[in-house]
Amino acid sequence: DIQMTQSPSSLSASVGDRVTITCRASQSISSYLNWYQQKPGEAPKFLIYAASSLQSGVPSRFSGSGSGTDFTLTISSLQPEDFATYYCQQSYSTPPYTFGQGTKLQIK
Amino acid sequence: EVQVVESGGGLIQPGGSLRLSCAASGFTVSDKYMSWVRQAPGKGLEWVSVIYAGGSTYYADSVKGRFTISRDNSKNTLFLQMNSLRAEDTAVYYCARIYDYGSGSSFDYWGQGTLVTVSS
Repeated sequence: DIQMTQSPSSLSASVGDRVTITCRASQSISSYLNWYQQKPGEAPKFLIYAASSLQSGVPSRFSGSGSGTDFTLTISSLQPEDFATYYCQQSYSTPPYTFGQGTKLQIK
Repeated sequence: EVQVVESGGGLIQPGGSLRLSCAASGFTVSDKYMSWVRQAPGKGLEWVSVIYAGGSTYYADSVKGRFTISRDNSKNTLFLQMNSLRAEDTAVYYCARIYDYGSGSSFDYWGQGTLVTVSS
């Protein structure tokens, strides 16, 4: 099975900051990488698919990049509603549909 | 509007059984891949099971042989039958639709989740 590792596990930032979250796959997954956002007490929300394509309705301050084993999620200018936990997930070799362990983005 | 709504969670003793339901609207369950994903308290997301449009089913190793995914096409509803429950199955269980975007797939719609607590 393909393992997904995110870094950092947690991150403190301020409104207006640019932040980057990294996701690494245990083997090449081409661009078969998705990102989700989850706020406390809520279901995950689908943000990005195919490593860099924004789901409809997702603000343009979110962007994704990468291919092969290394991927990034970037938020260009943090807004108060962006403080949440972010998960990557691979769809290159499924099942299983494996997620990263999550990155908690907190207010500094 | 696409929507999925889970139900059936609750408190159950170790070794017991529970059946979760996921009522879908705005699309046809049998036309899509549908999945269950769980989240233990304070932990990350863990994929549990999937049923493909053609009816094939797959499970995480942690639940294989104990859980069964199924669907009722007439009710447009997905199910998860959970048997031989263990404390480590305690989690919020989410029903999620899988979106095939051609060069991959993702979980595009999620329910609000239903909490399963396995405890004596």
